[in-house]
Amino acid sequence: DVKVTQSSRYLVKRTGEKVFLECVQDMDHENMFWYRQDPGLGLRLIYFSYDVKMKEKGDIPEGYSVSREKKERFSLILESASTNQTSMYLCASSTPGQSQPQHFGDGTRLSIL
Amino acid sequence: EDQVTQSPEALRLQEGESSSLNCSYTVSGLRGLFWYRQDPGKGPEFLFTLYSAGEEKEKERLKATLTKKESFLHITAPKPEDSATYLCAVPRGGNDMRFGAGTRLTVKP
Repeated sequence: DVKVTQSSRYLVKRTGEKVFLECVQDMDHENMFWYRQDPGLGLRLIYFSYDVKMKEKGDIPEGYSVSREKKERFSLILESASTNQTSMYLCASSTPGQSQPQHFGDGTRLSIL
Repeated sequence: EDQVTQSPEALRLQEGESSSLNCSYTVSGLRGLFWYRQDPGKGPEFLFTLYSAGEEKEKERLKATLTKKESFLHITAPKPEDSATYLCAVPRGGNDMRFGAGTRLTVKP
């Protein structure tokens, strides 16, 4: 079974802090994704990566950056956290191809105070 | 732009009361439609992929069907453990997907 592991289930940070969310997958998947999930808005794509050191902007990249130095690890960085970034963050991975399902981690619930 | 709309937003059923969830989509050239289940505090769990109109997939009490404009997730004789949010998604131009907002299903004993 595919396992996608997010480093923290719950995280509380302060406004202006630099925040790192880590995600590791164990299935050698090329593709990795970061989403945020908010009530009524569903999953919104922040960034994704097709390969090591490659990244693509999703629908809502403002205020975020990513890093993919190794194939199995994809990090989401909040450069200067703000209260409107309080959300559930979900990481996913998949094999290449448009018809491949994504496999998700259990999420990090991030609160910015 | 690709759109995915799920209805209803929430559905409350009694145990054993069958019903259907709807996912309508507008995409140019469907390359699959995906159903996921999400339990509270967890990430979405992949259920099915449907590729062409007329296709059906089943898993326990769930059956997913696909037409050219929408997909249905039929739940037959649901149990309380079927309570979850059900999400559908369609691939976009690259390897990413557009998700619907989900239907929150509650099954009362």
